Amino acid sequence: QKEVEQDPGPLSVPEGAIVSLNCTYSNSAFQYFMWYRQYSRKGPELLMYTYSSGNKEDGRFTAQVDKSSKYISLFIRDSQPSDSATYLCAMHLNEKLTFGTGTRLTIIP
Amino acid sequence: GAGVSQTPSNKVTEKGKYVELRCDPISGHTALYWYRQSLGQGPEFLIYFQGTGAADDSGLPNDRFFAVRPEGSVSTLKIQRTERGDSAVYLCASSPDRGQGYTFGSGTRLTVV
Repeated sequence: QKEVEQDPGPLSVPEGAIVSLNCTYSNSAFQYFMWYRQYSRKGPELLMYTYSSGNKEDGRFTAQVDKSSKYISLFIRDSQPSDSATYLCAMHLNEKLTFGTGTRLTIIP
Repeated sequence: GAGVSQTPSNKVTEKGKYVELRCDPISGHTALYWYRQSLGQGPEFLIYFQGTGAADDSGLPNDRFFAVRPEGSVSTLKIQRTERGDSAVYLCASSPDRGQGYTFGSGTRLTVV
């Protein structure tokens, strides 16, 4: 079993829809939880960074962490074609990130 | 510089050859990381530098892989006797200090033929 599980998709939604992306993890020692966005042939770009259970909002993006269920989510409101990318969850422990496989998202205009 | 710079952006090499991949971190960032990303997968940790020293090299797959950061800035990832299974995108990241968010470079796409 992988330490971090993420549905690879692909996921296609119409422009303006709310997108929900999720990861589960098995290691309760993970300290921080992150979401990265990766465009084709580019490096991952940090979107959200949280360390406690609850919600964190930044513009159209909301990150949610439930440590008791070992479950994290990213919600994207009013999705735009420019949001089309691969979204990676990542868990931080002792200066190492453990990534999910990434979910490929396409927003259809 | 403005971001993390990695050179070359693409490298094709023959099986058995030696390659060096270079990473120029953001100026002033003390922490530097190497990750490897295979097709359809998330990045996997290779090695972490704090300053000049390798603080954690537990992700290096075997002794053909080696990385240095002699002056605490630029880092080079070295792969000896390359194998086809080494083909991947090698990503470098830097951060201002431990526990801060990383900034990744665009990676070096290594193809071993």
